[in-house]
Amino acid sequence: QLQLQESGPGLVKPSETLSLTCTVSGGSISSSSYYWGWIRQPPGKGLEWIGSIYYSGSTYYNPSLKSRVTISVDTSKNQFSLKLSSVTAADTAVYYCARQDWFDPWGQGTLVTVSS
Amino acid sequence: DIQLTQSPSFLSASVGDRVTITCRASQGISSYLAWYQQKPGKAPKLLIYAASTLQSGVPSRFSGSGSGTEFTLTISSLQPEDFATYYCQQLNSYLPKWTFGQGTKVEIK
Repeated sequence: QLQLQESGPGLVKPSETLSLTCTVSGGSISSSSYYWGWIRQPPGKGLEWIGSIYYSGSTYYNPSLKSRVTISVDTSKNQFSLKLSSVTAADTAVYYCARQDWFDPWGQGTLVTVSS
Repeated sequence: DIQLTQSPSFLSASVGDRVTITCRASQGISSYLAWYQQKPGKAPKLLIYAASTLQSGVPSRFSGSGSGTEFTLTISSLQPEDFATYYCQQLNSYLPKWTFGQGTKVEIK
């Protein structure tokens, strides 16, 4: 059974870079034709797609975040990662990772708070 | 950008009711639409993909229909465990490649 788990700091200072990793277990990140993506949800609000990566390294980013987002993959560790630079309080959210194109399964999510 | 607009944003219903949620796309997206259920503090759960295909393990009281720009999620007989927020999501060839609707919260009347 495929499982995803997000990890990373729960608190990031304004203007710094948010870094999260998604570890995939129960299957290989490079064994099938899926994208792997990041989605976020600010407290009390809806879902926003951040960006996605294929195991080969090709990426798609949400144009609204593209200038600040980098997603990378490490097939040897069965992980993919998110970096979001120059964060502000508006980036406070629960961050999820998921397998795509239809988002399933999802990780449990991790709350990242941007505050000094 | 392709926008997804869900209606209603909030719905109050009773156990046993038939519930319908609509998702309208600003441009045609064929059948590239999915529906998710999210309960408080939990990750969303895929219910339906490709507009009308029920995800494995999802109860048959959930159904989806539509194509092009108008889609519906129907719960034939609302159960206590169905009170949640529902999101539609589209997939297309242009950026942003994946987008979500704003959500519909289904609460107990």
